[in-house]
Amino acid sequence: AQSVTQPDIHITVSEGASLELRCNYSYGATPYLFWYVQSPGQGLQLLLKYFSGDTLVQGIKGFEAEFKRSQSSFNLRKPSVHWSDAAEYFCAVGLPNTGNQFYFGTGTSLTVIP
Amino acid sequence: ETGVTQTPRHLVMGMTNKKSLKCEQHLGHNAMYWYKQSAKKPLELMFVYSLEERVENNSVPSRFSPECPNSSHLFLHLHTLQPEDSALYLCASSQETSNYGYTFGSGTRLTVV
Repeated sequence: AQSVTQPDIHITVSEGASLELRCNYSYGATPYLFWYVQSPGQGLQLLLKYFSGDTLVQGIKGFEAEFKRSQSSFNLRKPSVHWSDAAEYFCAVGLPNTGNQFYFGTGTSLTVIP
Repeated sequence: ETGVTQTPRHLVMGMTNKKSLKCEQHLGHNAMYWYKQSAKKPLELMFVYSLEERVENNSVPSRFSPECPNSSHLFLHLHTLQPEDSALYLCASSQETSNYGYTFGSGTRLTVV
């Protein structure tokens, strides 16, 4: 069965420090990969996505993610975290040629310390 | 403006009330979804509509009744809810054939008292 794993439930970082949020997926072929961010009381906003090509993708708000096929991972990174980055982050997988099948991870909550 | 608008943003209802949540998308997408997000739980897919036909219903209790009158509008009708139904209800839309990801609304925070 397809699955998306975000091993870190909660992460705390200091403002200005670097950030990496982990995401692993289980699927037989390369899926479409996404990262979403959710601020408190809000819906999910798309940060970035990977379909094919360059394995390092750039997103909004200074985020980037790297697809590593050998590790079935799509980790999200930011070199310097801002206090406004405190939010819930969701990794998601879309399966090619399956229309609407979409799987979300359980999320990682990010706290930023001033 | 995300392109997907949900109303109301907040709703408090008694267990005997009937209310409806509304979702509207202006993105030209042909698939729409209802998700439930409870505290400390994963996102739960409730219903999927593709080309205005319901294609998925994930064992959702009958006190939740979706309606999709056209490709731009999606409703979730609520009646005789339970306190455990209190959650953030998120609507999303996508273009079915591309699977280029979902666009979410801001959600309706529902409290059942």
